[in-house]
Amino acid sequence: EVLLVESGGGLVKPGGSLRLSCAASGFTFRSYAMSWVRQAPGKGPEWVAAISNSGTYEYYAESVRGRFSISRDNAKNSVYLQMNSLRVEDTAVYYCSRAATRTFPRDRWGQGVLVTVS
Amino acid sequence: IQMTQSPSSLSASVGDRVTITCQASQDIRKFLNWYQQKPGKVPKLLIYDASNLETGVPSRFSGSGSGTVFTLTITSLESEDIATYYCHQYDDLHALTFGGGTRVDIK
Repeated sequence: EVLLVESGGGLVKPGGSLRLSCAASGFTFRSYAMSWVRQAPGKGPEWVAAISNSGTYEYYAESVRGRFSISRDNAKNSVYLQMNSLRVEDTAVYYCSRAATRTFPRDRWGQGVLVTVS
Repeated sequence: IQMTQSPSSLSASVGDRVTITCQASQDIRKFLNWYQQKPGKVPKLLIYDASNLETGVPSRFSGSGSGTVFTLTITSLESEDIATYYCHQYDDLHALTFGGGTRVDIK
């Protein structure tokens, strides 16, 4: 069974930083691209960042580019999201996802972690 | 790639046929998923690659389309289908996007 467990969320002041972690199990982690998706209260999902299976390529939504950084450790089956210069509008539940891709379209999501910027 | 979902909300009776549409701003071939989300829950994958039913999802759900226009159909709406539905394109890992959502409730 695929399991994705996020941690590191919480309350932070505007301009502050936070690092989210996601521990993966139940699949061959190094074979899959991973992503972070967020959902602000009462809004739809918004893709934030993605990283290729090897970690060579990183991609970001325009809204977070230059402030957020995605990384992964294939030896630890983990993916991370470093969030700097946080803004009130970054407040959301952040989901770790085994990304849907052309090769592997069936994505999987964690339970999410709440980040509140206030 | 922009994903335009319509309608943004709808009310239907139990047993009705419900259709939700998602239009992509450019050709995404078949690379589209549909999700169901209930309040306080994680989005649940219903359809992948535009028309493939995810394991365990009732057969009243179906997806169709390719290129730029896609549809999610519920052939006979049940009360447990009350939720918000989202489309998601993954043609390009550089810029994944979701539709704005369609809220479905019972008339």
